[in-house]
Amino acid sequence: DTEVTQTPKHLVMGMTNKKSLKCEQHMGHRAMYWYKQKAKKPPELMFVYSYEKLSINESVPSRFSPECPNSSLLNLHLHALQPEDSALYLCASSQEIGRGANVLTFGAGSRLTVL
Amino acid sequence: GESVGLHLPTLSVQEGDNSIINCAYSNSASDYFIWYKQESGKGPQFIIDIRSNMDKRQGQRVTVLLNKTVKHLSLQIAATQPGDSAVYFCAENITGNQFYFGTGTSLTVIP
Repeated sequence: DTEVTQTPKHLVMGMTNKKSLKCEQHMGHRAMYWYKQKAKKPPELMFVYSYEKLSINESVPSRFSPECPNSSLLNLHLHALQPEDSALYLCASSQEIGRGANVLTFGAGSRLTVL
Repeated sequence: GESVGLHLPTLSVQEGDNSIINCAYSNSASDYFIWYKQESGKGPQFIIDIRSNMDKRQGQRVTVLLNKTVKHLSLQIAATQPGDSAVYFCAENITGNQFYFGTGTSLTVIP
């Protein structure tokens, strides 16, 4: 299995809703990532988990809350989002070999619309 | 993170021609680079990578060139095909797990 699976593919939510995005990989990768991508823009790094511990938080607002229940799963909990948070949220994973070897494998993304 | 810019936001080429996509990076400490292809509605897909101890690396129909002196990276696609139409991003590895993406170039192949 060489895939990163993200659910749901599409999500529409109001600003007062609480929802979650889910990501799963079975490649034995020990690093998992959340990226945010606006239309016609590059992916922007949000969070990195390494061996199930949060290692990088790119100053992301607290209305985004990541969680890594185990080495195969990564969640992104969403609460009180703003319309400008509408974007494609990409999950990725990589082996933890070391610098210069961690190729990211991406999922297809979850397209989020905040009304 | 520091920006990784691209010189051309769009590129149109005739089918069968070679394509060259450029990328400038600003962090001299970056020592690993990846080119990704992103088709509409999909996540980025790995194309080829290169470490800073190399100047050139070749794959199937693709070649990446790295010029550390001017902090420049390029992706060459030989005999471009309609299936190559996509947005191409270079990604810069700042630390072990920090990858930052360049602006992106939209490649359109004209049949």
